[in-house]
Amino acid sequence: DGGITQSPKYLFRKEGQNVTLSCEQNLNHDAMYWYRQDPGQGLRLIYYSQIVNDFQKGDIAEGYSVSREKKESFPLTVTSAQKNPTAFYLCASSIQGSTEAFFGQGTRLTVV
Amino acid sequence: GESVGLHLPTLSVQEGDNSIINCAYSNSASDYFIWYKQESGKGPQFIIDIRSNMDKRQGQRVTVLLNKTVKHLSLQIAATQPGDSAVYFCAENSGSARQLTFGSGTQLTVLP
Repeated sequence: DGGITQSPKYLFRKEGQNVTLSCEQNLNHDAMYWYRQDPGQGLRLIYYSQIVNDFQKGDIAEGYSVSREKKESFPLTVTSAQKNPTAFYLCASSIQGSTEAFFGQGTRLTVV
Repeated sequence: GESVGLHLPTLSVQEGDNSIINCAYSNSASDYFIWYKQESGKGPQFIIDIRSNMDKRQGQRVTVLLNKTVKHLSLQIAATQPGDSAVYFCAENSGSARQLTFGSGTQLTVLP
């Protein structure tokens, strides 16, 4: 089955620790995105990548980092510099230039 | 900055009735407008999109209307079913990488 997979589904982090969220797609999509969703709110763009080895900051990139070493993978690291990391994180991918983005099932990160 | 917003945070309809979810946008330069459905604890799913040079587009049980004069977008769901209960987001497609800007969402509840 083609799709986009995020792992883990739930993640707990202690304050001051970095944590990496996984996102893998087998749709052969060039573009990949990371969004953050807070309760009762819409999605906000953290980072996006149009091609391997290239990525750009979105609206709320501070405290986050990404890499795009492979077309299929776009991991997101939430660093200790992110002051309010507890949220639902969504990864998406799309064909370059398409309006239809395919989303993963999300990772719920909680700082304890 | 530009924003996409929704008129109402919640909407309740009787099963079998038609639903209308509204959205206002401010970026006149957007090329596409898209509707997503998000069920609890899951990632958003693409429903339908409309190009900025169109005023109406129909899908299966859904119709999207675009009024560029007043910068208003609506999603109509015919014969609403219990499975339609979800949060509905409108989004605009802008930027060179086609990243999406999401509104805050409307929670649709279908009453038996």
